[in-house]
Amino acid sequence: GAVVSQHPSRVICKSGTSVKIECRSLDFQATTMFWYRQFPKQSLMLMATSNEGSKATYEQGVEKDKFLINHASLTLSTLTVTSAHPEDSSFYICSANDRAGYTDTQYFGPGTRLTVL
Amino acid sequence: EDKVVQSPLSLVVHEGDTVTLNCSYEVTNFRSLLWYKQEKKAPTFLFMLTSSGIEKKSGRLSSILDKKELFSILNITATQTGDSAVYLCAGGGSNYKLTFGKGTLLTVNP
Repeated sequence: GAVVSQHPSRVICKSGTSVKIECRSLDFQATTMFWYRQFPKQSLMLMATSNEGSKATYEQGVEKDKFLINHASLTLSTLTVTSAHPEDSSFYICSANDRAGYTDTQYFGPGTRLTVL
Repeated sequence: EDKVVQSPLSLVVHEGDTVTLNCSYEVTNFRSLLWYKQEKKAPTFLFMLTSSGIEKKSGRLSSILDKKELFSILNITATQTGDSAVYLCAGGGSNYKLTFGKGTLLTVNP
């Protein structure tokens, strides 16, 4: 149980392109999903909290117009990196919280490696 | 600002050794302490601890939380090369958000 999928697993794109990443909870409903960014040999940095049916909550320093988040259903959240630039190249990971159990445990997707040329 | 500090940052051991990984935390409205293992991709869940002094075990891995000292340890006994990974500690606070430490890179040599 508690499986989270993420698609695509890898993206290579040109500068200026917008890239959409999908995060799905496969066997549970996720009222809340989280988007993280991880640079090589660094820890996970929370970018935003994605709430189903409402606006995402962004962490300090994260541009909401740059990283658009949509959480349209209880099993799907999307992150769109708009007008991507080389400095946006990173490993993006989503997680979902199975709130039915009132637990803090987050289950992670396999991640998306974004390379912007 | 919430903070989670892990030590050591890296560790190299031989197969069969026992290791102890440390995690200290300062998290507002603390609810739980979580341990994850990260190999090449995303983290996989190991333990969630909410109560002091109660050890959680899974095979050769065990973990315990001290809420008075704001500290947790993760023990791995009889290490194997497959245990090589980054071990992440995270503190759970308000709004179900997790604050992660920088991780401990464990390398187990044959």
